[in-house]
Amino acid sequence: AQSVAQPEDQVNVAEGNPLTVKCTYSVSGNPYLFWYVQYPNRGLQFLLKYITGDNLVKGSYGFEAEFNKSQTSFHLKKPSALVSDSALYFCAVRDETGRRALTFGSGTRLQVQP
Amino acid sequence: DAGVIQSPRHEVTEMGQEVTLRCKPISGHDYLFWYRQTMMRGLELLIYFNNNVPIDDSGMPEDRFSAKMPNASFSTLKIQPSEPRDSAVYFCASGTGTLNTEAFFGQGTRLTVV
Repeated sequence: AQSVAQPEDQVNVAEGNPLTVKCTYSVSGNPYLFWYVQYPNRGLQFLLKYITGDNLVKGSYGFEAEFNKSQTSFHLKKPSALVSDSALYFCAVRDETGRRALTFGSGTRLQVQP
Repeated sequence: DAGVIQSPRHEVTEMGQEVTLRCKPISGHDYLFWYRQTMMRGLELLIYFNNNVPIDDSGMPEDRFSAKMPNASFSTLKIQPSEPRDSAVYFCASGTGTLNTEAFFGQGTRLTVV
């Protein structure tokens, strides 16, 4: 079975400061990892994904994520937060042996203060 | 492509009534997923289809819920009879069969059962 944990319900950061949103996963085989963002009253928007190769993945809106196999983590990062980054962020996983549907974490609300 | 299209965007109904949610996936996608989002349970997979055939419906909460995909461009999720605890945002997503591709989400249907 595959699972995702997002240990923080909310992350607060000041505008201009770096941000990190944490994610750990559990899968049977090799993981395929994804980050999505949800703005109020909107659907989920894809940000970035890790498939294979470089452990640092770059995505939309200046976000990046670092894959760490030994720690089974895939933390989302951004060097300098913007107020407009405030939203709900979801980590998701799919493994090569499991179902095609993504399994999502519980979500982390990012609040960037001006 | 216009993306995944869901209708209606909002639905308010009385307990006991039948509710039908609709989804048009992105053309060419052979997987379709139905998710439900609530504060308490986060994003839950309800059911998913491959080439219009239901593959995994283990997430469907009760017999009151049913889903169909009569053709590649249309799917419905029906609740009959509806109950207040069914109040949630229901998302439809579509994707291709490859493991390393993301799913694309619709804007969701916010269902309120009173």
